[in-house]
Amino acid sequence: GNSVTQMEGPVTLSEEAFLTINCTYTATGYPSLFWYVQYPGEGLQLLLKATKADDKGSNKGFEATYRKETTSFHLEKGSVQVSDSAVYFCALSGTSGSRLTFGEGTQLTVNP
Amino acid sequence: NAGVTQTPKFQVLKTGQSMTLQCAQDMNHNSMYWYRQDPGMGLRLIYYSASEGTTDKGEVPNGYNVSRLNKREFSLRLESAAPSQTSVYFCASSEATPQSRETQYFGPGTRLLVL
Repeated sequence: GNSVTQMEGPVTLSEEAFLTINCTYTATGYPSLFWYVQYPGEGLQLLLKATKADDKGSNKGFEATYRKETTSFHLEKGSVQVSDSAVYFCALSGTSGSRLTFGEGTQLTVNP
Repeated sequence: NAGVTQTPKFQVLKTGQSMTLQCAQDMNHNSMYWYRQDPGMGLRLIYYSASEGTTDKGEVPNGYNVSRLNKREFSLRLESAAPSQTSVYFCASSEATPQSRETQYFGPGTRLLVL
């Protein structure tokens, strides 16, 4: 079956630091890949997505590239802000329907 | 346009009590979902409904039932609550069309504590 593995957290950075959150997946066929973000006390929001190999999703300074050869979709941001503090979830959707499989989430804290 | 709404926001139950979590969306989406979120485990799918009138089990359906009342509403029922069902519950919806494939929109969540 499908599965998603994220780097273990929590991650604590200083403002303006570079962020990488690793995500690898196992799936048959050609899944779509997503990053969702959950701010404190809120539901999940879509941050970015990529639907085919070598696609780069980007939003709010965050980027992730769909790498089929390494089955990865790592999230990066060049300069994080305090307001980026949240839990980040990597997820995939297989080719047979719209169900999402989530990773366990990575808590990010950015200190001023 | 409220998106996905959930009620209640917070609930405390005693073991054995029943309750229904309500979810509604105003985006005319075909598909709706119920997830639970537990520390260190991400979100796990309980049940989903691909279209009005259909429901299917997800990864962790035991102890739950659902009803797709109409296109807008999808409720989750706990018939006899257990402490293992203490969790945060999220409802989501999606268009589930090829053009907007699998992008899901989430409600704010219901925090449930079972004593």
